Amino acid sequence: NAGVMQNPRHLVRRRGQEARLRCSPMKGHSHVYWYRQLPEEGLKFMVYLQKENIIDESGMPKERFSAEFPKEGPSILRIQQVVRGDSAAYFCASSPPASNQPQHFGDGTRLSIL
Amino acid sequence: RKEVEQDPGPFNVPEGATVAFNCTYSNSASQSFFWYRQDCRKEPKLLMSVYSSGNEDGRFTAQLNRASQYISLLIRDSKLSDSATYLCVVNRDNYGQNFVFGPGTRLSVLP
Repeated sequence: NAGVMQNPRHLVRRRGQEARLRCSPMKGHSHVYWYRQLPEEGLKFMVYLQKENIIDESGMPKERFSAEFPKEGPSILRIQQVVRGDSAAYFCASSPPASNQPQHFGDGTRLSIL
Repeated sequence: RKEVEQDPGPFNVPEGATVAFNCTYSNSASQSFFWYRQDCRKEPKLLMSVYSSGNEDGRFTAQLNRASQYISLLIRDSKLSDSATYLCVVNRDNYGQNFVFGPGTRLSVLP
């Protein structure tokens, strides 16, 4: 069984460009979560989605960041007009609909802003 | 006060030592509990779920005390490969998925 798939593994953007990060959950998982991690810091929750719905976006910056999880296809985390401070590792996790089940993480996308 | 708190660390222990990590959570409605480990620049990986009766997986033992809202992880006979950051994770919503991560405790096992 394939795990959580994230791509790209590494993404380099110049300031002002857009970054799109993709996440395909594990088979049978309908819940997706995005986290950001700065070097030497802990995981910071960003957003929790189910198919076609944003359940909790309390960790998303108010501007430039958006996320979606369409009926078909992967979840997308989109960062518009990137700035140096957006450089981080972005991890996606998924979990099944049943409660009490843990999340499983993808390998992450390392975003570097030049 | 953070919803999930852990020993601040870092813990530096010799190979073969026994080390215990503590975690407390503030939301009494929390339903499920997990320990993850995260290696440097890697994704968090599930180490074990924590059950009410306590559970053991090889050298690792997890305990849950709901009355005290406390979770622990014990590592026996520590190996160099156990060096990582250990994350306590609490799911506070039994009818949805609302995971809260602790800040992590870093462990270095020294030769």
